[in-house]
Amino acid sequence: QQQVKQSPQSLIVQKGGIPIINCAYENTAFDYFPWYQQFPGKGPALLIAIRPDVSEKKEGRFTISFNKSAKQFSLHIMDSQPGDSATYFCAASKGSARQLTFGSGTQLTVLP
Amino acid sequence: GAGVSQSPSNKVTEKGKDVELRCDPISGHTALYWYRQRLGQGLEFLIYFQGNSAPDKSGLPSDRFSAERTGESVSTLTIQRTQQEDSAVYLCASSLVGSTNEKLFFGSGTQLSVL
Repeated sequence: QQQVKQSPQSLIVQKGGIPIINCAYENTAFDYFPWYQQFPGKGPALLIAIRPDVSEKKEGRFTISFNKSAKQFSLHIMDSQPGDSATYFCAASKGSARQLTFGSGTQLTVLP
Repeated sequence: GAGVSQSPSNKVTEKGKDVELRCDPISGHTALYWYRQRLGQGLEFLIYFQGNSAPDKSGLPSDRFSAERTGESVSTLTIQRTQQEDSAVYLCASSLVGSTNEKLFFGSGTQLSVL
């Protein structure tokens, strides 16, 4: 069964902290690893994505670290802000978006 | 439209009733997806439409669930004889197809509550 396991389920950090959300996958054929951000009452929105040919990708304050041998990837949020408080989902797929398998989500709270 | 539009935003129904959820994708997006999101859980794929191809229904949980799409526009997800375990947020997404790993654009979802 294709699974993506995400942890922690919830996370609370102070403003300026660096929350880290981890995901592990089983299917070595996966070749696309996006992170989606979801605010209450809204649909998820693509935040950042990585392919397995690189070990790290940065976009603004968001960084994905990818460890192919361990089949793990993580999201780091630098200088976190209260506005980053949301639910974050990792996902993985082989090929097209139709095959995306999502993690169970991490509810992040950044305290002012 | 500017984004993916879903209606209604909230639906409360009684067990055993049928419900119909609507999705208006972004104009020009040929791919359309339905996902289910149970409280505190990840997104569960339900069905995928792409152009005139046969839909991928592999994620539909039972024959009580069905979906249609008119051309490359509006889609409706129908749940017959609703059960309490159908309570969830139903999310629709659309995307442009043509490149690998196309980006999904989600609507705000329909919160379905089955009493």
